[in-house]
Amino acid sequence: EVQLVESGGGLVQPGGSLRLSCAASGFTFSSYWMHWVRQAPGKGLVWVSRINSDGSSTSYADSVKGRFTISRDNAKNTLYLQMNSLRAEDTAVYYCARGQFDYWGQGTLVTVSS
Amino acid sequence: EIVLTQSPGPLSLSPGERATLSCRASQSVSSSYLAWYQQKPGQAPRLLIYGASSRATGIPDRFSGSGSGTDFTLTISRLEPEDFAVYYCQQYGSSLITFGPGTKVDIK
Repeated sequence: EVQLVESGGGLVQPGGSLRLSCAASGFTFSSYWMHWVRQAPGKGLVWVSRINSDGSSTSYADSVKGRFTISRDNAKNTLYLQMNSLRAEDTAVYYCARGQFDYWGQGTLVTVSS
Repeated sequence: EIVLTQSPGPLSLSPGERATLSCRASQSVSSSYLAWYQQKPGQAPRLLIYGASSRATGIPDRFSGSGSGTDFTLTISRLEPEDFAVYYCQQYGSSLITFGPGTKVDIK
């Protein structure tokens, strides 16, 4: 059974940093591109970032470029999102999703507030 | 960036009725890389349709997708009680992936 489990969310002050993790199981993680998608409270879905299967290529939404870094450890079957210089508008549930978005995790809530 | 617009606004229908949801793109979507998702409160999105018209694994055949270029449609032939939710379209054919704002289908 495919499973994606996010962790690392929490409350952080503006300007702070947080690293999210997404633990994958039930499939060959190293064969899939992976994504992060976020959803602010009561709002729609926003794609954040993606990484190719071996980690050599990444893309970012303009709103996070230069502040967020996506990475992966295929030996640990884990996807990461390093978030720096956090702003109030980064407050959201962050989901990881597999390849063609066919599987999603349950999400982890990031709250940026003083 | 490809901007997706969804219509109508909230859609109020009764179980058994047909729902037709529209998604329009600001420019042509490459190779019909257009997907539809269903999301219920407190849950992650669920992939319904990919490639504009292919149903994802386990999706009932009352869900169908159509369209190409800039105009796409999700049709639910007969609404079941579990179908009342928010539906998002998404394009994944460009380097910057975008979602539409969503259409809420609620019970009339």
